[in-house]
Amino acid sequence: GENVEQHPSTLSVQEGDSAVIKCTYSDSASNYFPWYKQELGKRPQLIIDIRSNVGEKKDQRIAVTLNKTAKHFSLHITETQPEDSAVYFCAASIGRAGRRALTFGSGTRLQVQP
Amino acid sequence: GAVVSQHPSWVICKSGTSVKIECRSLDFQATTMFWYRQFPKQSLMLMATSNEGSKATYEQGVEKDKFLINHASLTLSTLTVTSAHPEDSSFYICSAREGPVDRTDTQYFGPGTRLTVL
Repeated sequence: GENVEQHPSTLSVQEGDSAVIKCTYSDSASNYFPWYKQELGKRPQLIIDIRSNVGEKKDQRIAVTLNKTAKHFSLHITETQPEDSAVYFCAASIGRAGRRALTFGSGTRLQVQP
Repeated sequence: GAVVSQHPSWVICKSGTSVKIECRSLDFQATTMFWYRQFPKQSLMLMATSNEGSKATYEQGVEKDKFLINHASLTLSTLTVTSAHPEDSSFYICSAREGPVDRTDTQYFGPGTRLTVL
């Protein structure tokens, strides 16, 4: 099955700096890669996603890049703010026809220091 | 975006009892819903995929007789933890995908249910 690895497990940055979180996946058939933000005790919130026919996608301060050949994708957050502090999860679709379940990375705890 | 609700938000039960958790898509029809389990400071682990009108598909290692899933309508899936034990204590989260399988991959998550088994 699909295996998603995520690094780093924790990340501390100063307010205003950029943060980068990286993920690799194993199943070359995966073609959908969402990123979720989860605050303590709350539901995961979709912040951005990318499909395999696109190499990069941007939404204001958040961007995601995908390298299909290397099977890795990254989340970039620019001009970080304290409210960006949370746990971020990458995920990849398993890709089995008609199923589209997600396999999640282990998570990155981002702390933005004011 | 689409809204998914879960009920209850937390439950405490005695060992050996059964607990039912409901997952509802409030403003869209969900042909597929997913159930995840999350331990403290860990990632989401997929337990099963619930398809409306058919049997759920369980992930390897998940006991289907212990975690009963029913997806009776396009807006409701239920997870019943039968004969609960303390090791079943966890945060259970559902998600729902809107629309036909081949049209969209976006999953919307419910707020989760924290189960504590004494």
